[in-house]
Amino acid sequence: GENVEQHPSTLSVQEGDSAVIKCTYSDSASNYFPWYKQELGKGPQLIIDIRSNVGEKKDQRIAVTLNKTAKHFSLHITETQPEDSAVYFCAARLGYQKVTFGTGTKLQVIP
Amino acid sequence: GAVVSQHPSWVICKSGTSVKIECRSLDFQATTMFWYRQFPKQSLMLMATSNEGSKATYEQGVEKDKFLINHASLTLSTLTVTSAHPEDSSFYICSARVGSLDGYTFGSGTRLTVV
Repeated sequence: GENVEQHPSTLSVQEGDSAVIKCTYSDSASNYFPWYKQELGKGPQLIIDIRSNVGEKKDQRIAVTLNKTAKHFSLHITETQPEDSAVYFCAARLGYQKVTFGTGTKLQVIP
Repeated sequence: GAVVSQHPSWVICKSGTSVKIECRSLDFQATTMFWYRQFPKQSLMLMATSNEGSKATYEQGVEKDKFLINHASLTLSTLTVTSAHPEDSSFYICSARVGSLDGYTFGSGTRLTVV
């Protein structure tokens, strides 16, 4: 099955700086890579996603890049704000249904 | 946007009793729903995939007799934790895929505490 690794496990940045979270996946057949933000005691919320036929996608301050050859994908958050503080999960979908999550990154944005 | 409503948000039950968690898709039909379990400061682990009108598919290591899943309609899936024990205490989350879109919408989660 698919295996997703995520780094770092914790990340502290100053407000206004950029944050980068990296993930690797094991199965080259994975075709969809979503990123989720989870606040304490709540379910994950999709913040951005990318399909395997696209190398980069951007939505305002958030961007995701995908390197299929290296089986890497990354989340980039620019101009971080305190409300960006949360746990972020990357995920990879193998086939059409099952999604495997990374181990999570706790992002702290220091005002 | 697509909303998955999950209830209850938290529940405390005595050891040996059963607890039912409901997930409803409010403005779309969910042929398939997924049930996850999340321990504190850990990732989401898929427990089972629930398909409307058929038996759920459980992940390896998940006891199907303990975690009963029913998906009787296109808008409702339930997870029943039977004969709950303290080690079943966890955060349970459901999700559904919205139509032909790639995205998965998650419920708000249920914090189960077994005492």
